[in-house]
Amino acid sequence: AQSVAQPEDQVNVAEGNPLTVKCTYSVSGNPYLFWYVQYPNRGLQFLLKYITGDNLVKGSYGFEAEFNKSQTSFHLKKPSALVSDSALYFCAVRPDSNYQLIWGAGTKLIIKP
Amino acid sequence: DTGVSQDPRHKITKRGQNVTFRCDPISEHNRLYWYRQTLGQGPEFLTYFQNEAQLEKSRLLSDRFSAERPKGSFSTLEIQRTEQGDSAMYLCASSFEKTNTGELFFGEGSRLTVL
Repeated sequence: AQSVAQPEDQVNVAEGNPLTVKCTYSVSGNPYLFWYVQYPNRGLQFLLKYITGDNLVKGSYGFEAEFNKSQTSFHLKKPSALVSDSALYFCAVRPDSNYQLIWGAGTKLIIKP
Repeated sequence: DTGVSQDPRHKITKRGQNVTFRCDPISEHNRLYWYRQTLGQGPEFLTYFQNEAQLEKSRLLSDRFSAERPKGSFSTLEIQRTEQGDSAMYLCASSFEKTNTGELFFGEGSRLTVL
């Protein structure tokens, strides 16, 4: 079955340090990859996507993500974390244009001052 | 505000009652999605419209759930004979795309509590 895994339920990072939120997937073909963020009691907001091309994609709020086809991963990164980055982060994969998004379970990111 | 809006934001109901949620997508968006989200989980796909046509419905979705998008603009999601297991956040999202590779724009959600 096709799936998306976010292996860490929670990631704790000190403010100013780099952060990584991991995502791996198991789908066939060449999927489209997305990251969304959800702040408390809010809807999801799009951060970035990978469709094709450069493996490093840049998105909103200084976030970027690196696509690694051999490892089937799409890890979210930021060079210097802010307390305001604390939120729930979801990785989502669309296997191809005929499929709906497959979502990871989410990773809670906590940035400590 | 020209984003996706959902109403009501919160709904508390007794088991067995019917509830209806409304979603107004971004005006130029032709695709509209309904998702359900429970605490600690990612969104679960419920159904999807392109314009007024309902193109896909989750096989896991009970017959008590029905959605409409009569004029290709706003959409309603109705849950009949609610059960406690229906308690969740119901999310609406929209997009405008021809290739189905674009991002979704989400509303703030409608939280349902079934007593």
